[in-house]
Amino acid sequence: GDSVTQMEGPVTLSEEAFLTINCTYTATGYPSLFWYVQYPGEGLQLLLKATKADDKGSNKGFEATYRKETTSFHLEKGSVQVSDSAVYFCALTSYYGGSQGNLIFGKGTKLSVKP
Amino acid sequence: GAGVSQSPSNKVTEKGKDVELRCDPISGHTALYWYRQSLGQGLEFLIYFQGNSAPDKSGLPSDRFSAERTGGSVSTLTIQRTQQEDSAVYLCASGGGKIWSGNTIYFGEGSWLTVV
Repeated sequence: GDSVTQMEGPVTLSEEAFLTINCTYTATGYPSLFWYVQYPGEGLQLLLKATKADDKGSNKGFEATYRKETTSFHLEKGSVQVSDSAVYFCALTSYYGGSQGNLIFGKGTKLSVKP
Repeated sequence: GAGVSQSPSNKVTEKGKDVELRCDPISGHTALYWYRQSLGQGLEFLIYFQGNSAPDKSGLPSDRFSAERTGGSVSTLTIQRTQQEDSAVYLCASGGGKIWSGNTIYFGEGSWLTVV
């Protein structure tokens, strides 16, 4: 069935450091890919998405490119801030395969940014 | 309110008791999802509603779990004879339609269930 694997955390960075959180997937068909973020004490929020190969999703300085050849959707930010401290989830949905159109999530990566 | 509202935000219950968790979706949203978030297990899909019907119940872990939705709005997730392994955060999300159709879904803050 469909699955998402993301790098385990926690990840601790200093402010203004470069961030990469790796995400790879296995899916039947042509999935859409997502990054969700969960800030402390808040609900999950959509950060960005990409619906087809080579699409780049971007929001709040974060970017991720849908790479079909490597089945990856790595999250990057050039300069993190303390306010980016949160748990980040990679997810996919596909009409085919085990997800049946629902979101399948990775286990999450906790990011802590120190001043 | 403007967002997805869930209640209670926290619930402690004794093993063997029944619990009900409520979700008020964003007004007008036809799609409603329940997920469970537990330590070490990540986020697991439980059930999906389109209107009042549930075309996908494949994630419900056992027959102790059930859910209903009335009036195309409020949904209730019921767990009967709770067990300690049911302890988790139960998340509700709503959207204008199916995710794979391009719709964004919006999550509530969750109901934290602890079974003692």
